[in-house]
Amino acid sequence: EPEVTQTPSHQVTQMGQEVILRCVPISNHLYFYWYRQILGQKVEFLVSFYNNEISEKSEIFDDQFSVERPDGSNFTLKIRSTKLEDSAMYFCASSEGYRSYEQYFGPGTRLTVT
Amino acid sequence: QQQVKQSPQSLIVQKGGISIINCAYENTAFDYFPWYQQFPGKGPALLIAIRPDVSEKKEGRFTISFNKSAKQFSLHIMDSQPGDSATYFCAASKANTGFQKLVFGTGTRLLVSP
Repeated sequence: EPEVTQTPSHQVTQMGQEVILRCVPISNHLYFYWYRQILGQKVEFLVSFYNNEISEKSEIFDDQFSVERPDGSNFTLKIRSTKLEDSAMYFCASSEGYRSYEQYFGPGTRLTVT
Repeated sequence: QQQVKQSPQSLIVQKGGISIINCAYENTAFDYFPWYQQFPGKGPALLIAIRPDVSEKKEGRFTISFNKSAKQFSLHIMDSQPGDSATYFCAASKANTGFQKLVFGTGTRLLVSP
């Protein structure tokens, strides 16, 4: 069964450093998303991406964040200068297409900023 | 208005019992309501979802009940099993756009005792 994969599973970084979280969405999916979950809290939407453009972003997704689809398979989230409060689980998700409502999540990357 | 309120925060059910988790929303533009199951250290997994044109949807032991006028929906897990012990999130989105920005509830930690 196709699945969303994410690397690394755990990333530890120092405050102020740049991190790139990587995702491989399900191959025939066209819509891609990043969500985050601070420990013990609910899952929060960060950004949606389609046709090489951001379609919507949340207030959390400020200028420190960027997304990219560098090739036909990967989808990345970059945090330019990490803060302590960026420590969270980051989930990538994908869905098939327009009016295909089902979103499938990857296993997540735990980001720890020290 | 973007919030989805979920209750209870935690739930203990005996094996074989019925687990019931409730969610309420305010935004009448929401028209897609999925439930996700999350095990520790894993990503949310789509369990079952409903559109507001039906009042109930059943898949195996899992049933969603939907009350459009009350803007409430609930997940019922029949014959609950220890393997159902997980955190359950309700979510909502506006399905008539191409991009499914999911708004999640705060989660319910379910423990099914043997």
